[in-house]
Amino acid sequence: SAVISQKPSRDICQRGTSLTIQCQVDSQVTMMFWYRQQPGQSLTLIATANQGSEATYESGFVIDKFPISRPNLTFSTLTVSNMSPEDSSIYLCSVGDTGELFFGEGSRLTVL
Amino acid sequence: GESVGLHLPTLSVQEGDNSIINCAYSNSASDYFIWYKQESGKGPQFIIDIRSNMDKRQGQRVTVLLNKTVKHLSLQIAATQPGDSAVYFCAENFGNEKLTFGTGTRLTIIP
Repeated sequence: SAVISQKPSRDICQRGTSLTIQCQVDSQVTMMFWYRQQPGQSLTLIATANQGSEATYESGFVIDKFPISRPNLTFSTLTVSNMSPEDSSIYLCSVGDTGELFFGEGSRLTVL
Repeated sequence: GESVGLHLPTLSVQEGDNSIINCAYSNSASDYFIWYKQESGKGPQFIIDIRSNMDKRQGQRVTVLLNKTVKHLSLQIAATQPGDSAVYFCAENFGNEKLTFGTGTRLTIIP
């Protein structure tokens, strides 16, 4: 199984600011994904982080709001831009190569 | 659009008893299903999976049943323990590593 480290684990942010979340994997993986989990709810896929090309976003998510980088096969970042209280969520990085997905511990963001 | 959902949002079970968590899915093209366990403050943890060409799969204290006729998935946990208290999610995979998650069921084990 892959070991996934996310930073920060939690943060309190001011409205209108942006925050970048980092995801580091202990092995090279083809597929990396970013999910959002709003309070008390299930997980929703934001985008697929593609190495060497632009991320692929799901319906309802756009690059201007959630820019993603994937510079290599072990690292990705997700930025939550111009935050509002509605962006208060847990943001989760996941990786998978054979169907089974592994998740990081998540980054819990609270926007005031 | 296609969705994966659960019948019950909460479930309380006496320690030592068996629990069953249910999940309905709507996409008949799904070929892979996974159950995840999420403890408070942690990311989802893989429990067990099942492919669409199977109807039952067993792990340690857990069994997943798949009924493709009625598009229903269930997770059975035998001899529940306090550590089983968590939120359980079913997830549906279309073969491209992307998962669609169900609503989630909070399982509470009563000592």
